[in-house]
Amino acid sequence: GENVEQHPSTLSVQEGDSAVIKCTYSDSASNYFPWYKQELGKRPQLIIDIRSNVGEKKDQRIAVTLNKTAKHFSLHITETQPEDSAVYFCAASPLLTGNQFYFGTGTSLTVIP
Amino acid sequence: KAGVTQTPRYLIKTRGQQVTLSCSPISGHRSVSWYQQTPGQGLQFLFEYFSETQRNKGNFPGRFSGRQFSNSRSEMNVSTLELGDSALYLCASSPGHPNTEAFFGQGTRLTVV
Repeated sequence: GENVEQHPSTLSVQEGDSAVIKCTYSDSASNYFPWYKQELGKRPQLIIDIRSNVGEKKDQRIAVTLNKTAKHFSLHITETQPEDSAVYFCAASPLLTGNQFYFGTGTSLTVIP
Repeated sequence: KAGVTQTPRYLIKTRGQQVTLSCSPISGHRSVSWYQQTPGQGLQFLFEYFSETQRNKGNFPGRFSGRQFSNSRSEMNVSTLELGDSALYLCASSPGHPNTEAFFGQGTRLTVV
């Protein structure tokens, strides 16, 4: 089955700096890659996603890049703010039917004011 | 539109007991997936239900089961509880098309003592 690895497990940045989180996946059939943000005690919420027919997607300060050949995808957050502090999860979905996500183990991001 | 609702929010059970968790998806969504979240393990897929049928299943023992009703509400049951079943159980609803955004509920925190 699919295996998703995520790095780093913890990340501290100064407010205003950029943060990058990287994930790799193993199943070449994976074609949908969402990123979720989970604040302490709250539900995971989708922040951005990308499909395998796209190499990059941006939404304001957040961007995701996908390299299908190397089987890795990354989350980029620019101009970080304290409210960006949370745990971020990447996921991959290889199925042609249904919604089954294989998640990375998460990155705890701390933005230092 | 109301979000995904999970009940109860917290549960304390004794080893050997069984437990039933409930999930009401977003109105119109036909797919409900269940995930187990534990520290260090991230989110692990349990199963997905679509139109009252189990569409996909993860690698969990048979003690974990689920069902979905005609109104798309879903229940998850864990029998013969073990200490290791202590976790946050999250359900996610999606419209039903493969590989689409999943909206998570707040989760049920299960503690087995």
